[in-house]
Amino acid sequence: LAKTTQPISMDSYEGQEVNITCSHNNIATNDYITWYQQFPSQGPRFIIQGYKTKVTNEVASLFIPADRKSSTLSLPRVSLSDTAVYYCLSSRGGSARQLTFGSGTQLTVLP
Amino acid sequence: EAGVTQFPSHSVIEKGQTVTLRCDPISGHDNLYWYRRVMGKEIKFLLHFVKESKQDESGMPNNRFLAERTGGTYSTLKVQPAELEDSGVYFCASSQVRALPWGYYEQYFGPGTRLTVT
Repeated sequence: LAKTTQPISMDSYEGQEVNITCSHNNIATNDYITWYQQFPSQGPRFIIQGYKTKVTNEVASLFIPADRKSSTLSLPRVSLSDTAVYYCLSSRGGSARQLTFGSGTQLTVLP
Repeated sequence: EAGVTQFPSHSVIEKGQTVTLRCDPISGHDNLYWYRRVMGKEIKFLLHFVKESKQDESGMPNNRFLAERTGGTYSTLKVQPAELEDSGVYFCASSQVRALPWGYYEQYFGPGTRLTVT
């Protein structure tokens, strides 16, 4: 699976849109990009997954350009409760294999 | 629907003692995973069950760790004897096929068990 690289931390203010970019230069054809969110004292929670172009759900949007070497998680109008660690992972499509976590991005939303 | 549960939430033991962690996956989930995060490190995979069979145990650090999943329901992870470097948070996750075109297996995580070895 491709190694992913993302910023260690980001700060934002309530009501702003937050974009977290992840680099995955060696992503394989069969790999999907998956994002998990983790609050303190909880396990990671699935947010969104995509292969290319744009995916949107009730929580976030995921933008993956045509070359798939990077992706951007977009959180619209964040609130204090969005303060968490966000992990970008590559996942093999159709596979139940284990997840490989990196360091993640600590997002802190300020009032 | 109940989520993944783990017991205990926190365990403090002395070096050399034995500890058993329990994980109850979401009902009907055949895949069960154990992960852990030791202090200052990233979350690392330990092993993967499919029903009662060990599919992949490549992440188990050594033979002091023993995982079981009798009957394909709940799972236990025993550490015997515990060492200081075993301190950390142990997560369990479960998954079943999600109804997406590519059959993605979304993993649902429990809250973790914080293990402290003194």
